[in-house]
Amino acid sequence: DIQMTQSPSSLSASVGDRVTITCRASQSISSYLNWYQQKPGKAPKLLIYAASTLQSGVPSRFSGSGSGTDFTLTISSLQPEDFATYYCQQSYSTPRTFGQGTKLEIK
Amino acid sequence: QVQLQESGPGLVKPSETLSLTCIVSGGSISSYYWSWIRQPPGKGLEWIGYIYYSGSTNYNPSLKSRVTISVDTSKNQFSLKLSSVTAADTAVYYCAREVYSYGYDGGYYYYMDVWGKGTTVTVSS
Repeated sequence: DIQMTQSPSSLSASVGDRVTITCRASQSISSYLNWYQQKPGKAPKLLIYAASTLQSGVPSRFSGSGSGTDFTLTISSLQPEDFATYYCQQSYSTPRTFGQGTKLEIK
Repeated sequence: QVQLQESGPGLVKPSETLSLTCIVSGGSISSYYWSWIRQPPGKGLEWIGYIYYSGSTNYNPSLKSRVTISVDTSKNQFSLKLSSVTAADTAVYYCAREVYSYGYDGGYYYYMDVWGKGTTVTVSS
């Protein structure tokens, strides 16, 4: 199985801040990397697929980059509704695997 | 647009079989891959497996001996069965649609774009 490791596990930030979350794969996965946002009690929501393609309807303050083993999710200017947990997920192979999550909290 | 809704018992006894159904509305199940993912309380996401509308399946090896995913195209739904459950199977269970986009590099990029709201299953006597 491909192991996905996110850092940090938690992060405190303020509205308006620029935030970066990192995801590392245990082997090269090219650009087969997706990012999801999950709010408490809700299902995950797709933000970015293929490492850098913004899902329709997702605000442009979200962006993704990377290829191979190292990837980043950046939120350019945090909004109150962005405080949530973020997961990366590889779709290079099965079983599909997720990172452990990064909880983004209000400072 | 496509919507997914999970249904099934919220309480299952240890050693019994967990059975859930995901109803697909607003679109046809006769395309794409249809997945099950679970999330234990306070923990991360675990992929259980998926089924293609034609019936071919792919399961997480960690659960493979206990999992069966099936599809009923006439009812536009797919189902999950997990046998011999224990307390470790207590989780919120999500169904999701996995689609793909064709990349400029010739690759097929898969991602889960539609999710159900999730259903909580507790394993307890």
